Amino acid sequence: DSGVTQTPKHLITATGQRVTLRCSPRSGDLSVYWYQQSLDQGLQFLIQYYNGEERAKGNILERFSAQQFPDLHSELNLSSLELGDSALYFCASSGTTSGIGEQYFGPGTRLTVT
Amino acid sequence: GDSVTQMEGPVTLSEEAFLTINCTYTATGYPSLFWYVQYPGEGLQLLLKATKADDKGSNKGFEATYRKETTSFHLEKGSVQVSDSAVYFCALTHTGANSKLTFGKGITLSVRP
Repeated sequence: DSGVTQTPKHLITATGQRVTLRCSPRSGDLSVYWYQQSLDQGLQFLIQYYNGEERAKGNILERFSAQQFPDLHSELNLSSLELGDSALYFCASSGTTSGIGEQYFGPGTRLTVT
Repeated sequence: GDSVTQMEGPVTLSEEAFLTINCTYTATGYPSLFWYVQYPGEGLQLLLKATKADDKGSNKGFEATYRKETTSFHLEKGSVQVSDSAVYFCALTHTGANSKLTFGKGITLSVRP
């Protein structure tokens, strides 16, 4: 168990809808990362937050947004969903006790857009 | 920008066979290199890492050496077990802790008894 929790585990929704994925980092970790894993694109970095502030942005679509709250949990919002957004979304966290590149991954949320 | 290239998969081996999974990278400067593993139904977990040229990372019988001259970080294991069946990702990062990772596409390893 990595200590990172993600809810829900599975999500099935229709095109055009909006969903929110939630992540709770390991206790004390200030950094949260979001990744998208799909068969064709592999594992892609979306966005990073550090102690409530956006720190780095990757291949995140404008339809997607994220935030990190004062209690350090994070939410990834996906709107105007398309079939191609179906993927596994991972959250990871790291903190002051983490080594270089050491991130702790949650079990993921599998999103299916129909 | 940075990129990581892994050999095409999947790979299927018999138990006790020798494993090599190739990984090369393109990056400016001197990144740190990693192998992450994803067991079925789970999130990724760090397997091993190397932070400078000629460093060898090792864990659970797996090894990888940071080769700057060939920009490679190939993963090896002398004798695989069924329990090693998983997806393996090569990755890199720059500048210290709390930095984003750039991953390769991953490769699925299946080990037959």
